[in-house]
Amino acid sequence: DTAVSQTPKYLVTQMGNDKSIKCEQNLGHDTMYWYKQDSKKFLKIMFSYNNKELIINETVPNRFSPKSPDKAHLNLHINSLELGDSAVYFCASSPSVGRTDTQYFGPGTRLTVL
Amino acid sequence: SQQGEEDPQALSIQEGENATMNCSYKTSINNLQWYRQNSGRGLVHLILIRSNEREKHSGRLRVTLDTSKKSSSLLITASRAADTASYFCAAKRNSGNTPLVFGKGTRLSVIA
Repeated sequence: DTAVSQTPKYLVTQMGNDKSIKCEQNLGHDTMYWYKQDSKKFLKIMFSYNNKELIINETVPNRFSPKSPDKAHLNLHINSLELGDSAVYFCASSPSVGRTDTQYFGPGTRLTVL
Repeated sequence: SQQGEEDPQALSIQEGENATMNCSYKTSINNLQWYRQNSGRGLVHLILIRSNEREKHSGRLRVTLDTSKKSSSLLITASRAADTASYFCAAKRNSGNTPLVFGKGTRLSVIA
């Protein structure tokens, strides 16, 4: 299946821990994103990478560090997790052709920090 | 700053009725997109309308765009129980590498 996939789907952890979420897309897109969706369903962009290069870095604590080993992968590492980090994190990708930024989303990772 | 704002926040209708959701945005845009999110899933792109277009159709979906009022509407005709989901608008600004900005969504419930 062509898609954007994320692992894990659920992540439950204690405050202060470090965790990573992985994302892969096999759509051949050049641009990948991380979004955070809070409990009120508000979706906010965190980062965007184009061909492994960071192009958007919204106001996100530097405990969050994205890494793009190649253009098909964009991982998110979070240090020193806090209660407020609990949310659903979505990875997405978009093609460069047409520059419409149409987003193809992964299924999400529900992070719960206890 | 938040670009898209949907209205209403929640909408409940009977199967077969039409559902209309509205979106307002603040700055000039390149395009406006609508997405659907089923419970516990990722968002799925439905339709895109460019700033030089006024209306677009896709199956039972009809989207309008009024750039003078900075607003868009999504109409779902002959709704089905399977249309129950949250619907989000997202605005793509004109300038460079600015991100797509999503609204807070309209929660649509279609009752069979």
